[in-house]
Amino acid sequence: DGGITQSPKYLFRKEGQNVTLSCEQNLNHDAMYWYRQDPGQGLRLIYYSQIVNDFQKGDIAEGYSVSREKKESFPLTVTSAQKNPTAFYLCASSPGGPRGSYNEQFFGPGTRLTVL
Amino acid sequence: AQKVTQAQTEISVVEKEDVTLDCVYETRDTTYYLFWYKQPPSGELVFLIRRNSFDEQNEISGRYSWNFQKSTSSFNFTITASQVVDSAVYFCAPRGGSASKIIFGSGTRLSIRP
Repeated sequence: DGGITQSPKYLFRKEGQNVTLSCEQNLNHDAMYWYRQDPGQGLRLIYYSQIVNDFQKGDIAEGYSVSREKKESFPLTVTSAQKNPTAFYLCASSPGGPRGSYNEQFFGPGTRLTVL
Repeated sequence: AQKVTQAQTEISVVEKEDVTLDCVYETRDTTYYLFWYKQPPSGELVFLIRRNSFDEQNEISGRYSWNFQKSTSSFNFTITASQVVDSAVYFCAPRGGSASKIIFGSGTRLSIRP
C-alpha cells in the first residue's frame, strides 16, 4: 500500500555530529517537503522540492541540507551548524504539477530527534 | 504578506458537546485553498478538508462541518457530538493559488473529556 515512510522513529545525536533523516514515498508524487515542529507549536518549513534534482529553502533552512536524486527519496541532513536541532521532523509529499496548490499534503509518521 | 491565525490555543469540552475551531487567513491573493489537518498523539498529520476561495458554500460531512466566509477571512471547523477520539491538535493550513508552500497555523489543542 502507498504512503510515506520515515526512519528512524527516534534518533539520538551527540552535539557536533551530523545526522541524516530518511524520507521515502511510493505515491509517485513530484513534490516533497520537510517540516520541523517544536513542542506546542505549528510546523515550520525547512526545505521543499518540486521536482527531482531541484529543491528550495524554506523558512528555517540554516543548519540543514537536502538532496533529491530520486523522485521517491528526500533525505534531510541536520548538520552541526544547527544550534538547536532537538525537535520532531515531519516529511510530506504532494502531487505537484499545474494544480499543485489544489492538492493536500500527505505526511509521514515523523522522526523525533534528540541531541544529547 | 500572508498570515494565518488560530487564536484558540487549547479547548476542552465534555464528550458529546459541539465544538468550533476558528481560523483567520489574511492574504491579498484572490485565489487560494484552505486545508484543515488533524494531528493525533501519534504525531502524524491527517488531512481532513480542503476548500477553495471561490466556494463559500458551507459543507457537512458526518460530524464535521465547515463555515467559510471570505469577507471576514474566516474558515471555521465544527465537530458535532464530539468524541474522545477527536482529541488532537488541529491545524488550519492555507495555500496561495500560485504558491507551492502551505502555511500552517499554530494549532488548536482539542481535548474531549469523557
